[in-house]
Amino acid sequence: AQRVTQPEKLLSVFKGAPVELKCNYSYSGSPELFWYVQYSRQRLQLLLRHISRESIKGFTADLNKGETSFHLKKPFAQEEDSAMYYCALSGQSGNQFYFGTGTSLTVIP
Amino acid sequence: DTGVSQNPRHKITKRGQNVTFRCDPISEHNRLYWYRQTLGQGPEFLTYFQNEAQLEKSRLLSDRFSAERPKGSFSTLEIQRTEQGDSAMYLCASSLRGARNEQFFGPGTRLTVL
Repeated sequence: AQRVTQPEKLLSVFKGAPVELKCNYSYSGSPELFWYVQYSRQRLQLLLRHISRESIKGFTADLNKGETSFHLKKPFAQEEDSAMYYCALSGQSGNQFYFGTGTSLTVIP
Repeated sequence: DTGVSQNPRHKITKRGQNVTFRCDPISEHNRLYWYRQTLGQGPEFLTYFQNEAQLEKSRLLSDRFSAERPKGSFSTLEIQRTEQGDSAMYLCASSLRGARNEQFFGPGTRLTVL
């Protein structure tokens, strides 16, 4: 069955510290993986996707098919990174999406 | 076009009543998705349209739920005989086929069933 697991509901780090938000998935096929972010009082928006292999706002995520993981990382957290982060998965057709339960990141000044 | 819009933003209804929500996607987007999100959970996929065709429906979508996208533009989600368990945020998203599945989300409609 398709599933996305984010083991941490809450994560707090100090400004300037590294941050890693964990995401593991289960999917029978070749998935596309995404990270979505929701800042306070804003709508959900795409942060990055594995297919692009890009760095957005200093965040990167590498798809590890062996460990079925897609962890989100940033070397130096900033206060403006405080938000809710969701890992998501879809099949290549894009017909269905599966979201994790989210991790609330707080960056302490 | 300022993005995906949803109306109403909030809806309070009594158990047993019918409610209808509307989603207006980004104008050139041919894909449209509905999700439900409850407190502490991520968005749960409900259904997907490509143009006017409803191509996927989640098993979460009971017979009381129906969605339409009659002209391949806006979409409506109707819930009949609402139950307290239907209380949730209902999200709509749209995307452009071929754009690597990047979805743009609306602000959501918060439903409260009393």
